[in-house]
Amino acid sequence: DTAVSQTPKYLVTQMGNDKSIKCEQNLGHDTMYWYKQDSKKFLKIMFSYNNKELIINETVPNRFSPKSPDKAHLNLHINSLELGDSAVYFCASSRRGAIPYEQYFGPGTRLTVT
Amino acid sequence: AQSVTQLGSHVSVSEGALVLLRCNYSSSVPPYLFWYVQYPNQGLQLLLKYTTGATLVKGINGFEAEFKKSETSFHLTKPSAHMSDAAEYFCAVSVPQGGSEKLVFGKGTKLTVNP
Repeated sequence: DTAVSQTPKYLVTQMGNDKSIKCEQNLGHDTMYWYKQDSKKFLKIMFSYNNKELIINETVPNRFSPKSPDKAHLNLHINSLELGDSAVYFCASSRRGAIPYEQYFGPGTRLTVT
Repeated sequence: AQSVTQLGSHVSVSEGALVLLRCNYSSSVPPYLFWYVQYPNQGLQLLLKYTTGATLVKGINGFEAEFKKSETSFHLTKPSAHMSDAAEYFCAVSVPQGGSEKLVFGKGTKLTVNP
C-alpha cells in the first residue's frame, strides 16, 4: 500500500546516456511533482503536473523531459546525462485545493553519473 | 519572492533535552508553512503544517511549531529528544505558481541526538 513509489531506487550510468525514472501514486491525487536534491541536501522543484498538464517548469535544461501518461503517473526522462545531473530525484503528489495540501514524497531515486 | 531560512545547518542535543529548530520565512502573502523530516536514505515525511487558524500546530512524533507573524518565524520544537529523532529537517513555504503550488525549502538542519 505504498503511497508514492519510484523506480529505480538507484541508477548508475555513464555520461551521455539516456535514462528514465518512473513515479506512481495511488492516493488519487491530481497534482504530481519532481524535485531534485543535490549533494548538499538542497531541494528544488523541477516540474509540476496537474491532471496530466504541465504547470510548473522551473529553469531546467531541456534534456529533462517529464511525461504524465495519466493522473497517477509522472515519469522523468533525461537525455545526454552529465556529471552534474548526479543527485537524488524525488517524486511527490498532492491534492489540489484553495489551500495548499501537503505533498507526499516518494522514496527517491539516487542517480549517479560517472 | 517567498523564501525560507533555516538557522543552523547542524543542531546537536542530548537525549531527553529540548529540540529547537529555527525557521524564518519571507512572504508577501499569508504563508502556508510546512516542516518535513528526512531520515537517512529515505524520502520526506510531513511532520506538521500551518495553513490557517491556530498558530500552535501539533504534528507527529511529539513535534510542534508555532507560527509567529510578527517575527516571521515557524520554529519547530520537541520537549524531549529521542535517539530516533536524528534526521534532517526541512522547513518549507508553499508558493503559488501558474495555478499550482511549489514548495520552496530551506537548506535543512541536521539534528544529532547524543546518548
